[in-house]
Amino acid sequence: SAVISQKPSRDICQRGTSLTIQCQVDSQVTMMFWYRQQPGQSLTLIATANQGSEATYESGFVIDKFPISRPNLTFSTLTVSNMSPEDSSIYLCSVVPGQGMEGYTFGSGTRLTVV
Amino acid sequence: AQSVAQPEDQVNVAEGNPLTVKCTYSVSGNPYLFWYVQYPNRGLQFLLKYITGDNLVKGSYGFEAEFNKSQTSFHLKKPSALVSDSALYFCAVRDRDTGRRALTFGSGTRLQVQP
Repeated sequence: SAVISQKPSRDICQRGTSLTIQCQVDSQVTMMFWYRQQPGQSLTLIATANQGSEATYESGFVIDKFPISRPNLTFSTLTVSNMSPEDSSIYLCSVVPGQGMEGYTFGSGTRLTVV
Repeated sequence: AQSVAQPEDQVNVAEGNPLTVKCTYSVSGNPYLFWYVQYPNRGLQFLLKYITGDNLVKGSYGFEAEFNKSQTSFHLKKPSALVSDSALYFCAVRDRDTGRRALTFGSGTRLQVQP
């Protein structure tokens, strides 16, 4: 299965600033997903990122707040913009290896605290 | 739309006893079903999946799950629990008859195994 390197693992940021999270995959993958996990809660899909096209955002998430880049088949970034304390969460990227019938692989997560 | 329900926030079991973590799902077509485990300060680890075929699926660390189409359930089981199994468990679904590739997660169940 694919191996994902996600950076940073954690950060403490001032409100009003932005943080960019990176995910590097050790193989080429068509789709990458970005999730948010608020403290003690489940994973919520933010957006799906395909190489060469605009990301597709879920209801409640907008590009201005969570811009995503997908410059090639092994890399993606998620930016959390103009942060507020409500953005404090764990952010995870995920990929679908092959046809997706293997287990989806997840990055180790970025624990973001906004103060 | 696809959704997952995990009716128990927490399951407590004594070490050596069998455990069950419940999951029910809703999809418009046919499901792909997954179980993941999350240990503190770590990412999601894949346990097992149901794609098609045998309703009883065996996975990592001695876990298994049974797909029941009539009850739309995919409960996670283990014959003998270990203290090290204590973690947060997530059930996830993907509708294989739609173009949506992202997983939808349940709310999670915290498993506490007492020595």
